[in-house]
Amino acid sequence: GAVVSQHPSWVICKSGTSVKIECRSLDFQATTMFWYRQFPKQSLMLMATSNEGSKATYEQGVEKDKFLINHASLTLSTLTVTSAHPEDSSFYICSARPRASYEQYFGPGTRLTVT
Amino acid sequence: GENVEQHPSTLSVQEGDSAVIKCTYSDSASNYFPWYKQELGKGPQLIIDIRSNVGEKKDQRIAVTLNKTAKHFSLHITETQPEDSAVYFCAATSSGYSTLTFGKGTMLLVSP
Repeated sequence: GAVVSQHPSWVICKSGTSVKIECRSLDFQATTMFWYRQFPKQSLMLMATSNEGSKATYEQGVEKDKFLINHASLTLSTLTVTSAHPEDSSFYICSARPRASYEQYFGPGTRLTVT
Repeated sequence: GENVEQHPSTLSVQEGDSAVIKCTYSDSASNYFPWYKQELGKGPQLIIDIRSNVGEKKDQRIAVTLNKTAKHFSLHITETQPEDSAVYFCAATSSGYSTLTFGKGTMLLVSP
């Protein structure tokens, strides 16, 4: 149980275009989902927290107009990287937390490369 | 805010040996401490966690201990196997329903 999927697993896009990444909790309802960014050989950096039906809360230094987060249902959250640039290239990982639970379950990650 | 320190950054052991990874936290109000295993190119996997009302928790070859007074917690892996090789992250949260603060990770290498 507690499976989280992400799609796509990897994506290459051209500078200036937008990319959408989906995060789904497959066998539980997630009242809260989190989006992280991870650079090579580094820890996870929290970008934003989203609760179903409400606006995402962004961490300091994360541009909310660039990284659009939508948590439309209890099983789906999306991250859209708008007007992507090469410096946005990274490994993006989502996690989901079931209702009334402490545990966070992570997706497999999405490797974004902006050329 | 919470600050989590993790040591060592790398750990090399022989197959069958034990491995111990230690973390300290700064916020005495923290009450939930999970450990994650991340293999190359994959997302972190929750392997064990502990809450502040418990001092130790065990799951087969993996155990976690918590010392609230000293504000540190440790991951113990016994009888290590090559497939245990991965990066391990500890984390803490001042509220179980809040965000996690992660340590910087420990790369564990288990040699056959």
